[in-house]
Amino acid sequence: SQTIHQWPATLVQPVGSPLSLECTVEGTSNPNLYWYRQAAGRGLQLLFYSVGIGQISSEVPQNLSASRPQDRQFILSSKKLLLSDSGFYLCAWSVWQGIPSEQFFGPGTRLTVL
Amino acid sequence: LAKTTQPISMDSYEGQEVNITCSHNNIATNDYITWYQQFPSQGPRFIIQGYKTKVTNEVASLFIPADRKSSTLSLPRVSLSDTAVYYCLVGDSVDSNYQLIWGAGTKLIIKP
Repeated sequence: SQTIHQWPATLVQPVGSPLSLECTVEGTSNPNLYWYRQAAGRGLQLLFYSVGIGQISSEVPQNLSASRPQDRQFILSSKKLLLSDSGFYLCAWSVWQGIPSEQFFGPGTRLTVL
Repeated sequence: LAKTTQPISMDSYEGQEVNITCSHNNIATNDYITWYQQFPSQGPRFIIQGYKTKVTNEVASLFIPADRKSSTLSLPRVSLSDTAVYYCLVGDSVDSNYQLIWGAGTKLIIKP
């Protein structure tokens, strides 16, 4: 069966510090991978998605970046965090089926920037 | 890109049928309609997906009229555990270039 891991589960960082969030998927090959952010009480904002190693599409321009160094690894980074980067970060995966397929979400990382 | 509109919140009681409607007036020909459920501090979970008419699975039904400008998620005989936020998602995937627009979500509260 497939599983998706995210870490850390919670993170408190000062403004201006770097960020690295990691997501890994097990039990599937060549998944589509996604990074979302959810502000408190709000809906999901798609940040990045990837259809393959080294292929990253950005949905929202900001001080975040994403990388996919391996098939089932997706990393979200920032060189300098802003207060507005606080939120609940979710990684998800899906299988390419020609139509929008079910996305499977990880447990999320709660980021607080102080 | 389609934009969705959902009620911000809804209340109902255990055992009742709940219908949540999502408006997507600018839906495109290639767009599918998907609904997700989210509990606090968890990632969303897929409920159901459809393109037109009616789709039913073991947990819900999805009604889509002919013009596809709206859709209704129907939850039969809800229980307290159905209290969650429900998202309507409209989008397509063209050559792996996903165009996905998440709605703001409907907070459903089920009362005993």
